[in-house]
Amino acid sequence: EPEVTQTPSHQVTQMGQEVILRCVPISNHLYFYWYRQILGQKVEFLVSFYNNEISEKSEIFDDQFSVERPDGSNFTLKIRSTKLEDSAMYFCASESTGEANEQFFGPGTRLTVL
Amino acid sequence: GQNIDQPTEMTATEGAIVQINCTYQTSGFNGLFWYQQHAGEAPTFLSYNVLDGLEEKGRFSSFLSRSKGYSYLLLKELQMKDSASYLCAVRDQAGTALIFGKGTTLSVSS
Repeated sequence: EPEVTQTPSHQVTQMGQEVILRCVPISNHLYFYWYRQILGQKVEFLVSFYNNEISEKSEIFDDQFSVERPDGSNFTLKIRSTKLEDSAMYFCASESTGEANEQFFGPGTRLTVL
Repeated sequence: GQNIDQPTEMTATEGAIVQINCTYQTSGFNGLFWYQQHAGEAPTFLSYNVLDGLEEKGRFSSFLSRSKGYSYLLLKELQMKDSASYLCAVRDQAGTALIFGKGTTLSVSS
């Protein structure tokens, strides 16, 4: 069964450093999302991506964040200058169409900022 | 504003039935989703409702009333492995992100 994959599974970084989280969505899917979940809190939306551009973003997704789909398979989230409060689990999700009845989540990347 | 409410915690015993409620207030409505999340893992899809009524899938059922802004997830024949967080999420428009509730942590004991 096709699945969303994410790398790395765990990333430890120093405050102020740049990190890139990588995702490979399911191959025929058109909509891509990044969510995050701070430990013990709810899943929060960051950004959605469709047709090679950002379609929606939340207040969390400020100038420190960017997304890219550099080729036909990868979907990346970059945090330019990490802060302690960026420590969270970051989930990538993909969906076949905007009306689909399921968003498929990847296993997540646990980001720890020291 | 967008608001999704569900109980924080529930407990039940093996073999029992449990109902997890969710109420929502969103600017639009394009589907309600239930996900299961074990600690440290990704959410996994359980069910989707866009029309009023009951959707059944094995031991899991989900109900939706759009006029009441209300849904429930029904888990039957509970097993220990059902101990997890259950996340209610709403999409307010097609092609947009899911808005998640805080989740209900279900503990199943023997």
